[in-house]
Amino acid sequence: NAGVTQTPKFQVLKTGQSMTLQCAQDMNHNSMYWYRQDPGMGLRLIYYSASEGTTDKGEVPNGYNVSRLNKREFSLRLESAAPSQTSVYFCASRGFQGKGQPQHFGDGTRLSIL
Amino acid sequence: TQLLEQSPQFLSIQEGENLTVYCNSSSVFSSLQWYRQEPGEGPVLLVTVVTGGEVKKLKRLTFQFGDARKDSSLHITAAQPGDTGLYLCAGVRETSGSRLTFGEGTQLTVNP
Repeated sequence: NAGVTQTPKFQVLKTGQSMTLQCAQDMNHNSMYWYRQDPGMGLRLIYYSASEGTTDKGEVPNGYNVSRLNKREFSLRLESAAPSQTSVYFCASRGFQGKGQPQHFGDGTRLSIL
Repeated sequence: TQLLEQSPQFLSIQEGENLTVYCNSSSVFSSLQWYRQEPGEGPVLLVTVVTGGEVKKLKRLTFQFGDARKDSSLHITAAQPGDTGLYLCAGVRETSGSRLTFGEGTQLTVNP
C-alpha cells in the first residue's frame, strides 16, 4: 500500500549545497507534481509532468530543476540551495485525465537550509 | 495575492460546535477539491465538486460549490476532536489543465 514514496523525509543543507529529492509512485499514474508548503501559503506548484517525457514550470520554479526519469519516478533538484528554499516539499501523482480526479500525495520531505 | 482565499486561517472550537470554512476566488474553476492534512503527512482528498450549486455530504461534513463556480464552503456539524487538522481547498481553472491551485489552508482545532 505504498502509493507515493518520497525520500529523504528530513534533510539539512548548507547554503550553496546541492541535493535531489526523490519521488516514486506505484499507481501507474501519468501525471506527477512537485509542491512546496510554507506556513500561511498553502501548497505552491514548483514543476509538474503531465506525462512521461514532459515537464513544465509551475508557479515557483526558480532555483529548481526536475527530471521525469520514467513513468514511476519524478525527481526535484536544488542546484545551489538558499535559505529561502527551506520548506516542506510534497510530491503528488494523478491518474487519467478527467474532472475531479484526485492527486495522491507523499508524506513530504522537510528541508532546512542553513 | 492568493488566487484562492480561504477563511478563517485558524479556528479553535469546542467539541460539539458547528463551523464553516470558506474558499473564495474571482476566477472560475472547472472543479474544486477539499483536502485534509494531518501533521507529518500529505493532504488527502475529502471531496470533489464539479457542478455549480452542487452540494455533497460526507457524514458530518457538507461541501457546497457556488453557482458561479468561484467559491466553495465546508460546513462541519457537531465537530469532534478527530476533525482537527489542516483543511485545504484546491481548484482547477478552465485554462490550467490538471494543475491545482491551493488556498492557504484553515487550521482547525477541536478541543474536547
